[in-house]
Amino acid sequence: DAKTTQPPSMDCAEGRAANLPCNHSTISGNEYVYWYRQIHSQGPQYIIHGLKNNETNEMASLIITEDRKSSTLILPHATLRDTAVYYCIVTDTDKLIFGTGTRLQVFP
Amino acid sequence: NAGVTQTPKFQVLKTGQSMTLQCAQDMNHNSMYWYRQDPGMGLRLIYYSASEGTTDKGEVPNGYNVSRLNKREFSLRLESAAPSQTSVYFCASSTDRNSYEQYFGPGTRLTVT
Repeated sequence: DAKTTQPPSMDCAEGRAANLPCNHSTISGNEYVYWYRQIHSQGPQYIIHGLKNNETNEMASLIITEDRKSSTLILPHATLRDTAVYYCIVTDTDKLIFGTGTRLQVFP
Repeated sequence: NAGVTQTPKFQVLKTGQSMTLQCAQDMNHNSMYWYRQDPGMGLRLIYYSASEGTTDKGEVPNGYNVSRLNKREFSLRLESAAPSQTSVYFCASSTDRNSYEQYFGPGTRLTVT
């Protein structure tokens, strides 16, 4: 599986968009980009995934660059409940490899 | 619909003791997984099961055994607990191996003294 690089922490004001970057320069053609988050000490929660095209669901949007070497998770209107560790995972199997992620702190 | 449930929530063991962590899902999922998470770290895959009766090793299987007795339940056993196995253990499930959307349980916090 391709390795991912994420900033260790980010801050975001409540109500603003949170843009979380992820670099995956060694991604291969079969590998998807997945995003999960972990709130406090709970089990991780699936957010969104994509292969080439940008994706949007009720939780977030995923923007993947044309060369697929990086992506950005966008939470359009961050709330305090979005404070969590966000994991970017690149894989073509069901064996997810979690890095240390980005700790997003949403402040009032 | 409870999703993925895990028991117990907390456990303290002495070195050398054994125990089994239980996991059950009510979503009729085929695939199930066991992960561990050490403080400040991401999750690491211990074992997984693509279907009833099959199991495979993940990234960190040493010191653990698993059992998938039926479609709902996937247990993780520590035969002789060691302090290095102090961790939070998460169970997860997904519809099949081509669906990478995994649903996680609340975790079991295990301390080995």
